[in-house]
Formats: sequence, C-alpha cells, structure tokens
Amino acid sequence: QSALTQPASVSGSPGQSITISCTGTSSDVGGYNYVSWYQQHPGKAPKLMIYEVSNRPSGVPDRFSGSKSGNTASLTISGLQAEDEADYYCSSYTSSSTVVFGGGTKLTVL
Amino acid sequence: QITLKESGPTLVKPTQTLTLTCTFSGFSLSTSGVGVGWIRQPPGKALEWLALIYWNDDKRYSPSLKSRLTITKDTSKNQVVLTMTNMDPVDTATYYCAHSKDGYNFGYWGQGTLVTVSS
Repeated sequence: QSALTQPASVSGSPGQSITISCTGTSSDVGGYNYVSWYQQHPGKAPKLMIYEVSNRPSGVPDRFSGSKSGNTASLTISGLQAEDEADYYCSSYTSSSTVVFGGGTKLTVL
Repeated sequence: QITLKESGPTLVKPTQTLTLTCTFSGFSLSTSGVGVGWIRQPPGKALEWLALIYWNDDKRYSPSLKSRLTITKDTSKNQVVLTMTNMDPVDTATYYCAHSKDGYNFGYWGQGTLVTVSS
C-alpha cells in the first residue's frame, strides 16, 4: 500500500482559513468513510482531530472540519491560531483491512 | 482515563529482533471492537502504520513489513507486544502504541519510544 498524498507544507495568517488535501485511491480514501486526521506538535504524540471523514472528537475546536470527495479528503482549519502550527497527517482504512497514513503536511502560521 | 506506555530497548544491533511492550490502562482489550495498534515515525519523517490487534485476537499487519512483524496480546496483563525481526538502521524510529475503538483510527496514543538501530 502506498502512502496517501499530502502537500508538504501549507501556510496561512492568523484568522485565515487553510485546507490540507489527502489523496488516495478507490481502495482506501475513496472506498471508505474511515478517513482520520491527526495533529502533531514537535516532540509530541499525534492527536486525533477528525475521524470518519468529518467527525470531531470531544474537545477538538469546531474550527477544524473534514470532508471528502472521491479519492481526496480534506481538512479545513478556519480562524487560524498560532497554536495550530503543527504537522498534520491523514489516514485511511484500506481494502486490505489495514490503515495507511499520508506523508504529512507542515502547517505554518505566519 | 485511557493511557498507554511503550517500553523496550532504546538501542538494538542490526539483524537483532526488537521486542516492544505496550502497557495500557483505562480500557479492556476484551471489549468488542477495541484494538491496539503500533505506529512508527523515523526522525523527521512521516507516520507509518505497522500492525493492529483486535479484542478477538484478529491481527492485521502492514503488507510491506508483514514477514517481520508479530503482534500479540495479554489481556490479563493489559499488554500488547510487538516483535520485529531482522532490524536494520532504517528501522530507527519512535515507536508508538495507540488505542482504537474500531480499528480505523487512534484516539489515544502512548508517548512513544525511540529505538535506534546501530552496531
């Protein structure tokens, strides 16, 4: 299984909105509504931000939202804040009953 | 409160077998649907899913590493063990264990343990 494709980096100014894409295939992203998004600050463990494409765990701000169209999922962060600066990873369940992660996206808040 | 913690050697030699233990609390691995997975992250690189074991002892492995991995559980000890054979310097990474309520995503993670492969 190949890693899902994410942009290496995105940036935005405080208050703005950004979107991170995550492209897979019909055997993973496109085939299941089991896309998740994780936030990882330097030296820390990843934190689940979105699961099942668009659901937020308790405690995750509603500035974070997820969607999917075809083989591409997206994470949108609105009202960017300095603390949102981190690495973001998508993941998807696959037709092999495994999980595959994306290559990660570094978000810089300008 | 769900917590997980990884333990094992910090340094292994090439060709050796790595054994990592995930000790958890706050949930039972005999609860239907629950799983514990292992994910690793080489320094400065992306996350890589390795393996997952479900409450019913069903096991899933990364296709690219399947021949080298074994995942087991000890429900009475609240532990999950991952073994990886024939370690190579490219296996140097932080290894995380994580809780999954359904096998599709990981809501709780351990702090990770850095394993260096070097002679």
